[in-house]
Amino acid sequence: DAKTTQPTSMDCAEGRAANLPCNHSTISGNEYVYWYRQIHSQGPQYIIHGLKNNETNEMASLIITEDRKSSTLILPHATLRDTAVYYCIVRVAETSGSRLTFGEGTQLTVNP
Amino acid sequence: DGGITQSPKYLFRKEGQNVTLSCEQNLNHDAMYWYRQDPGQGLRLIYYSQIVNDFQKGDIAEGYSVSREKKESFPLTVTSAQKNPTAFYLCASSPPGTSFNEQFFGPGTRLTVL
Repeated sequence: DAKTTQPTSMDCAEGRAANLPCNHSTISGNEYVYWYRQIHSQGPQYIIHGLKNNETNEMASLIITEDRKSSTLILPHATLRDTAVYYCIVRVAETSGSRLTFGEGTQLTVNP
Repeated sequence: DGGITQSPKYLFRKEGQNVTLSCEQNLNHDAMYWYRQDPGQGLRLIYYSQIVNDFQKGDIAEGYSVSREKKESFPLTVTSAQKNPTAFYLCASSPPGTSFNEQFFGPGTRLTVL
């Protein structure tokens, strides 16, 4: 799996957009970018994933650069409940039985 | 409601005792996983199982054991051989035939060995 690099922590004001970066310069052509988040003392939650096109769902948007070496997760209107650790994971697409590798992620703190 | 349950939420044991953590899912998922999380760190894979009666070691399997006798259940035993068992344990499952790595996590069990 390609290695990912994320900032240790970020702050964001409530109601503003939160932009979380992830570098994955060694990503290969068949690897996807996945984002999970973990609210304190809970299990991680899947957010979104993408290959090369930008993706959007009800939770967030994922912007992947044209060279695919970096990506940004965007929470368009951050709320206090979005305070969590956000994990960027690069992995080949697999059927059931995948081994995800969670690094230390980015601690996002949304401030009132 | 469909989901993954882990019990209990908090567990205390004396050093040298084996302890079994429960994980049950009613999502009809084939694959199940156990992760360990230490304070301020990411998740590390202990064991995973793709089908009933089959399981594979993850990255930190030493001192742990699992069984998968039923599709919906994947209990984890923390043995006395695990040198530092105090941690937050997370169970997850993923559905069959998916083209992406979406894993559904339980609420976790926080184990403290005294």
